Amino acid sequence: QSVLTQPPSASGTPGQRVTISCSGSSSNFGSNYVYWYQHLPGTAPKLLIYRNNQRPSGVPDRFSGSKSGTSASLAISGLRSEDEADYYCAAWDDSLSGWVFGGGTKLTVL
Amino acid sequence: QVQLQQSGPGLVKPSQTLSLTCAISGDSVSSNSAAWNWVRRSPSRGLEWLGRTYYRSKWHNDYAVSVKSRITINPDTSKNQFSLQLNSVTPEDTAVYYCARSSGYMDVWGKGTTVTVSS
Repeated sequence: QSVLTQPPSASGTPGQRVTISCSGSSSNFGSNYVYWYQHLPGTAPKLLIYRNNQRPSGVPDRFSGSKSGTSASLAISGLRSEDEADYYCAAWDDSLSGWVFGGGTKLTVL
Repeated sequence: QVQLQQSGPGLVKPSQTLSLTCAISGDSVSSNSAAWNWVRRSPSRGLEWLGRTYYRSKWHNDYAVSVKSRITINPDTSKNQFSLQLNSVTPEDTAVYYCARSSGYMDVWGKGTTVTVSS
């Protein structure tokens, strides 16, 4: 069981807005940033959001992140077929002295 | 531009040692601002961080609790690379293994190595 909790699946139709949640605890989200990765089979994970809500260069502004207390969310607006992938939240955990990930959310574009 | 090139066998027998190497270009394994990580992805566990090595006046290692008794991550400054050794593997260790740089967060990743544990 993962330290961070995500829904196993999410879906939406092209053009819709989808939100993926991630729940943590005081030892990770309480004092550390949240990160989001997009992962397609056969490729390396891609950093989508860093430090809760920052986008690396090249990531479309359709992707946005937010964090409040021990919860975080990733929002994808204007959903496109190429957004179909697995999405993972991540954070440093002070108690475990290591990185922890959510279990991943498989996004399906209907 | 930082790039990570992974190498190592794709098949390991149960009870043996899994060994992978990650060669770094565009950065240094001895960097005072980066850490060098191993992460794996399996169908049952999703993404799982395994551990890291980093240099801050001396070498440090952090390992995930789940593999702490079986894992070693070593830097090789002469070749500017780092390695993963995971002992006593079982089929549960079958996964795609990634190396990654973290400089505050994991931002550069290797392409991944599929490792199957099977006799």
